[in-house]
Amino acid sequence: EPEVTQTPSHQVTQMGQEVILRCVPISNHLYFYWYRQILGQKVEFLVSFYNNEISEKSEIFDDQFSVERPDGSNFTLKIRSTKLEDSAMYFCASSRDRGFVDTQYFGPGTRLTVL
Amino acid sequence: GQQLNQSPQSMFIQEGEDVSMNCTSSSIFNTWLWYKQDPGEGPVLLIALYKAGELTSNGRLTAQFGITRKDSFLNISASIPSDVGIYFCAGQLRETSGSRLTFGEGTQLTVNP
Repeated sequence: EPEVTQTPSHQVTQMGQEVILRCVPISNHLYFYWYRQILGQKVEFLVSFYNNEISEKSEIFDDQFSVERPDGSNFTLKIRSTKLEDSAMYFCASSRDRGFVDTQYFGPGTRLTVL
Repeated sequence: GQQLNQSPQSMFIQEGEDVSMNCTSSSIFNTWLWYKQDPGEGPVLLIALYKAGELTSNGRLTAQFGITRKDSFLNISASIPSDVGIYFCAGQLRETSGSRLTFGEGTQLTVNP
């Protein structure tokens, strides 16, 4: 069964460093998303991406964040200068729009630890 | 932004018991989804609901999309130990394709054998 994959599974970085989190969405999907989950809290939307541009972003997704689809398969989230409060699980999701079906499927996540 | 209130926050039950959890919102959604999350993993879709009043089953799981479009419930019948995990409801407005999911706070389910 097709699934969303994410790498790395765990990333440790120093405050102020740049990190890039990688995702491979399900191959026939058209919409891509990033969410984050701070430990013990609910999942929060960051950004959605379609047709090589951002279609929606939340107030969390400030200028420190950027997304890119550098080739036909990968979807990346970059955090330019990490802060302690960026420590969280980051989930990639993808969906397709074939008429009414637009269900989002999630990857296993990348645990980001900022020291 | 839209907020979802999910209850209960946690449940401790015996194997074989039925479970019910629900989500309410102050504003409407066009789609309700229920996900399960195991520790250290991503949310896994359990049931998706697309129409107000819809009642959908997936094995021992049953979920309903409230008629007002502001609530949804999930029932698990005859619980088993592998049902342990965190259950999240999520609402989607779907004014446009690819719109965001808004998640509830989660219900932590513990099943005692």
